[in-house]
Amino acid sequence: AQSVTQLDSQVPVFEEAPVELRCNYSSSVSVYLFWYVQYPNQGLQLLLKYLSGSTLVKGINGFEAEFNKSQTSFHLRKPSVHISDTAEYFCAANAGGTSYGKLTFGQGTILTVHP
Amino acid sequence: NAGVTQTPKFQVLKTGQSMTLQCAQDMNHNSMYWYRQDPGMGLRLIYYSASEGTTDKGEVPNGYNVSRLNKREFSLRLESAAPSQTSVYFCASGLSVQYEQYFGPGTRLTVT
Repeated sequence: AQSVTQLDSQVPVFEEAPVELRCNYSSSVSVYLFWYVQYPNQGLQLLLKYLSGSTLVKGINGFEAEFNKSQTSFHLRKPSVHISDTAEYFCAANAGGTSYGKLTFGQGTILTVHP
Repeated sequence: NAGVTQTPKFQVLKTGQSMTLQCAQDMNHNSMYWYRQDPGMGLRLIYYSASEGTTDKGEVPNGYNVSRLNKREFSLRLESAAPSQTSVYFCASGLSVQYEQYFGPGTRLTVT
């Protein structure tokens, strides 16, 4: 079965510092990968997606992620964070094939940006 | 476009009561989904509908039923609510099953 692991439940960082949120997935078939952001008391908003092609994916708000098939990872990065980036971030995978449509989510990483 | 809308935003039920959560999307998407979100557990798929006229169970379907009323609307019904169903419920839609999903604002349900 597909599983997604976010390696850090909480990441504190100072404003303007770089940040990396780590995500590993398990799949024996082609996989589509996504990062979502959730601000307090809101729904999930898509940050970026990897479907195929270039392994470096750029998203909204200056975020990017790199798909690494050999390490089964899809880490999210931002070179300089802002206070407004404080939120919970979810990595998700869609294994396709007979499991298509069933997004599997990681447990979430709470990013807190301090002034 | 309103995107994905959900009603109600908040609901309190007593154990054993029933209710239906409503979801609608105006993006002409084929696929629709219901998730529940619990602290520390991410989101878990309850049911999904790959296209109008079809529904399938997800990871945690017990205690729920769904109806894909038409292409736009996908409802989730709790026939006999239990405290374990206290959660935040999200509806989502997608162009088709292999692509990204777009989420509604959520319904916060408390069962006492």
